[in-house]
Amino acid sequence: AQSVAQPEDQVNVAEGNPLTVKCTYSVSGNPYLFWYVQYPNRGLQFLLKYITGDNLVKGSYGFEAEFNKSQTSFHLKKPSALVSDSALYFCAVRSSNAGNMLTFGGGTRLMVKP
Amino acid sequence: KAGVTQTPRYLIKTRGQQVTLSCSPISGHRSVSWYQQTPGQGLQFLFEYFSETQRNKGNFPGRFSGRQFSNSRSEMNVSTLELGDSALYLCASSFGGRGEKLFFGSGTQLSVL
Repeated sequence: AQSVAQPEDQVNVAEGNPLTVKCTYSVSGNPYLFWYVQYPNRGLQFLLKYITGDNLVKGSYGFEAEFNKSQTSFHLKKPSALVSDSALYFCAVRSSNAGNMLTFGGGTRLMVKP
Repeated sequence: KAGVTQTPRYLIKTRGQQVTLSCSPISGHRSVSWYQQTPGQGLQFLFEYFSETQRNKGNFPGRFSGRQFSNSRSEMNVSTLELGDSALYLCASSFGGRGEKLFFGSGTQLSVL
């Protein structure tokens, strides 16, 4: 079975400060890891993914994430937060051995204050 | 290029009824997945269809079913609705490869009274 944990329900950060949204995972086989963002009354939008290769992955809107195999983590980061980054963020995992389904974490609400 | 389209946007039903939700994927995409989103359970995988065949299925009762047509459009059906079926139902499409990102629609908000 595969699982994802996002330990923080909410992260608060001031505009211009760096932000981190945490994610740890459990999966058999090699993980395919994803971050998605959800704005109110909308579906999920893809931010970035890790399949293989460099542990630091760069994605949309200035976001990046670092894959750490030993800690089974895939934290989302951004050097300078914007108020418009305020949204619900989901980490997801898919095993390379399993079927084509994503298992999502519970989500982390990011609040960026001016 | 048009995105993933889900209809209807909102639905209100009563317990015991059945409902059909529709999803039109991005042109050229052959995989359609369905997810249920609720405040309590979060995002849960329902099933995935690829080239008209169900390729994967989540842990939902048999009241939840789906199908995919030759043009890749998909429908999901929920029979004998229960209050707990109230949720945002999200459809996602892709070409079908395992490492691909999914493109999500805006969802259908189902309320069961």
